[in-house]
Order: sequence, then structure tokens, then C-alpha cells
Amino acid sequence: AQSVTQLDSQVPVFEEAPVELRCNYSSSVSVYLFWYVQYPNQGLQLLLKYLSGSTLVKGINGFEAEFNKSQTSFHLRKPSVHISDTAEYFCAVTLMNRDDKIIFGKGTRLHILP
Amino acid sequence: DAGVIQSPRHEVTEMGQEVTLRCKPISGHDYLFWYRQTMMRGLELLIYFNNNVPIDDSGMPEDRFSAKMPNASFSTLKIQPSEPRDSAVYFCASTWGGGRNGYTFGSGTRLTVV
Repeated sequence: AQSVTQLDSQVPVFEEAPVELRCNYSSSVSVYLFWYVQYPNQGLQLLLKYLSGSTLVKGINGFEAEFNKSQTSFHLRKPSVHISDTAEYFCAVTLMNRDDKIIFGKGTRLHILP
Repeated sequence: DAGVIQSPRHEVTEMGQEVTLRCKPISGHDYLFWYRQTMMRGLELLIYFNNNVPIDDSGMPEDRFSAKMPNASFSTLKIQPSEPRDSAVYFCASTWGGGRNGYTFGSGTRLTVV
């Protein structure tokens, strides 16, 4: 069975500084990978996804993620964060050959410091 | 499209009462998912449907929980009788064709059982 590990439960970062949120996955078969964002009192929204092709994936709000198959990682990055990026970020995975069910990580809370 | 619509947004009920949460998926989506989110357990998949048929209900915590999807545009999650430990935010999500297309989440129902 597939699984997702988000290594940091909380990440504090100063406004306009870069940030990386880490995600590792485990699966015996090929996977699709996702990052979702949850703003306070809202549902989750899709930030970006990796299905195939280029390992660098660009998403909304200036975020990008890089798929690294050898390290089974899919870290999320942004070169300069804003106060509006304060949210919880979820990494998620589904199997290529059975992709109806997405498995979510436990989330990383991003705190933007003024 | 108005997105995935959940009602009510907030529900406060007394222990032992029946609670019904409602969800209207995006038109044309053939998958519907019910999740529960708590601080302690994170995001848990309770049950999901494909073409109105329940596919996997292994996440339903106990017999007090039941879910139905009588047609493609409506689903309910019922808790009877409710208990304080059921207090959580319940999300509905939908997608078409499988998880590779990403899920669209509703805004959630915050349930408080006193």
C-alpha cells in the first residue's frame, strides 16, 4: 500500500523568504503526486500535481514541486512567501494503476512571520 | 459551476441525536468522497462512491455512521446516535475519472456534539 510522510508538522518562515515543505512517499508501483492547500476554515484546494513528464511541476500562487523518483520525494517550494500563504499544506499520492483513492499526508502548517 | 456544496456549514447537536450532513457534488463528476478532519487524526477517508455505488467504506468508524448516494447529484452522511467524539469537520469531495484529475473539496461541515 502507498503512504505519504510529511516530515515537518509546522514550518515558520519570514515574509519574502524562500520555503521548502518536504514530502516523501512509499509505493511499490508508480504513483501520481499532489500538493493541496487548506486556508483557515476552508476545504482543500489543488495546488499542483505530477502525472508524468517533466519532474518540475509549477502550480498556482507561485508554488512549484520537484518529483525525485530515486529519493521518492516530492518537495514543495516557493522562492518568496507572502502573509497570504499562511495555510496548511498536504502532500498526497495515488497509484497509477488504481487512482480512484488519494492518500493524504498529515499536513504541514506554514507560519509566515512578519 | 458552484463547486461542491455542503450543508449545513455548522451543526451543534446534543449527544444521542441523529445528525445528517449533505453534499452536492460537481455536475458530471462520477466519484464522491467523505472525509473527516480532526486535530488528532488529521484527514481520514470515511467512504467513497463511484457512479453512486459505495466502493470502499472501510474508513467508516462504526455502525453509527452510514452514507448514501441516491443519485448523481446528492449524498448524505448520517450519524445515529451522535457522540462527543464525533465532533470534527466533515468534508465532501468529488472528481471525474479518478484521482489523477484531483479532487474538488466542499467547504466542510463543522460538527459539534455536546
